[in-house]
Amino acid sequence: EPEVTQTPSHQVTQMGQEVILRCVPISNHLYFYWYRQILGQKVEFLVSFYNNEISEKSEIFDDQFSVERPDGSNFTLKIRSTKLEDSAMYFCASSRRGLFFGSGTQLSVL
Amino acid sequence: AQKVTQAQTEISVVEKEDVTLDCVYETRDTTYYLFWYKQPPSGELVFLIRRNSFDEQNEISGRYSWNFQKSTSSFNFTITASQVVDSAVYFCALLYSGAGSYQLTFGKGTKLSVIP
Repeated sequence: EPEVTQTPSHQVTQMGQEVILRCVPISNHLYFYWYRQILGQKVEFLVSFYNNEISEKSEIFDDQFSVERPDGSNFTLKIRSTKLEDSAMYFCASSRRGLFFGSGTQLSVL
Repeated sequence: AQKVTQAQTEISVVEKEDVTLDCVYETRDTTYYLFWYKQPPSGELVFLIRRNSFDEQNEISGRYSWNFQKSTSSFNFTITASQVVDSAVYFCALLYSGAGSYQLTFGKGTKLSVIP
């Protein structure tokens, strides 16, 4: 069964560093997403991406964040200068008839 | 504005008991979708069900069943004969039709612990 894959599963970085989280969505899906879950809190929408551009984004998705689909399979989330409060589980998802999540990347900013 | 409330923060049941997880939502839209996701201790989000607002039929899938009541804006989830593997955090989520994509609004989740 096709699934969304994310790498790495864990990422540790120093405050102020740039990080790139990687995702491979399900191949015939058209929309791609990033969601975030701070430890113990609810899952929050960050951004959706369609036809090589951002479709919608939340207030969380500020100028420090960017997304890219550099080739036909990968979908990345870049945080330009990480802050302590960026520590969270980041979920990639893709949709066609339903929304399917990857297993997440746990980002720890020290 | 969209809102999802899962009033039960944590529930503990003994194995083989039935358990119902409550979900109440708020939306001004007449067309919307409701979801349940399971998040086991390993952290991934597992899709369980999607219902649209025009389909109020209850659904059963094995030990899982869902009761959608538009009149009370509720979409409750029942696990029959619970098992230890059901221990997880369960999230209810709402998508309104005006969204161009799956911009889900999640509830805060209910942590279910099934004790052997």
